Amino acid sequence: DTGVSQDPRHKITKRGQNVTFRCDPISEHNRLYWYRQTLGQGPEFLTYFQNEAQLEKSRLLSDRFSAERPKGSFSTLEIQRTEQGDSAMYLCASSLGGPYNEQFFGPGTRLTVL
Amino acid sequence: LAKITQPISMDSYEGQEVNITCSHNNIATNDYITWYQQFPSQGPRFIIQGYKTKVTNEVASLFIPADRKSSTLSLPRVSLSDTAVYYCLVAPTGGYQKVTFGTGTKLQVIP
Repeated sequence: DTGVSQDPRHKITKRGQNVTFRCDPISEHNRLYWYRQTLGQGPEFLTYFQNEAQLEKSRLLSDRFSAERPKGSFSTLEIQRTEQGDSAMYLCASSLGGPYNEQFFGPGTRLTVL
Repeated sequence: LAKITQPISMDSYEGQEVNITCSHNNIATNDYITWYQQFPSQGPRFIIQGYKTKVTNEVASLFIPADRKSSTLSLPRVSLSDTAVYYCLVAPTGGYQKVTFGTGTKLQVIP
């Protein structure tokens, strides 16, 4: 399967713990995006990378969230000191070329904060 | 930010044409309109994108009137496998952080 993969698919954690998610994009794609989706809502943009450079971050992204793409391939999203409001599906997508080109989404990581 | 509204849900019989309209009244001049399809427990999947007038591909058509304040996704002859949530997305060229997804339209195809 050469699509976008995410790991883990599900994560349950206690409030206050740190969590890290991984995304492996389609190999030749230079852009990588992170979104958050809560039940019944559309995806909400968090941040995106062009190669290893983080080009944009949502103003809604708190300081507890950080993302990296160290070698321009896979990316990690870390949430520190999780809160119950962080419970959501975290989606990763990748694209080739500009950010307005077709994005290919992974299956998501569902986070539940108890 | 563009404010996007879509019908919450629609029902259609198999074989019928379905039109889903998205309202984006304050779309900016350079914003693109994109539609995605999402099945439960999966990430969204790209359907079609346009800027103005009409765009057609192998699965759908997208109609955008001259004022661009709305757009209509047209799915010809739907089947049961088209049951999904459909999202309208406005992607601004002036900064991707301003990208806005609609709340989605849940389409139920009935046999």
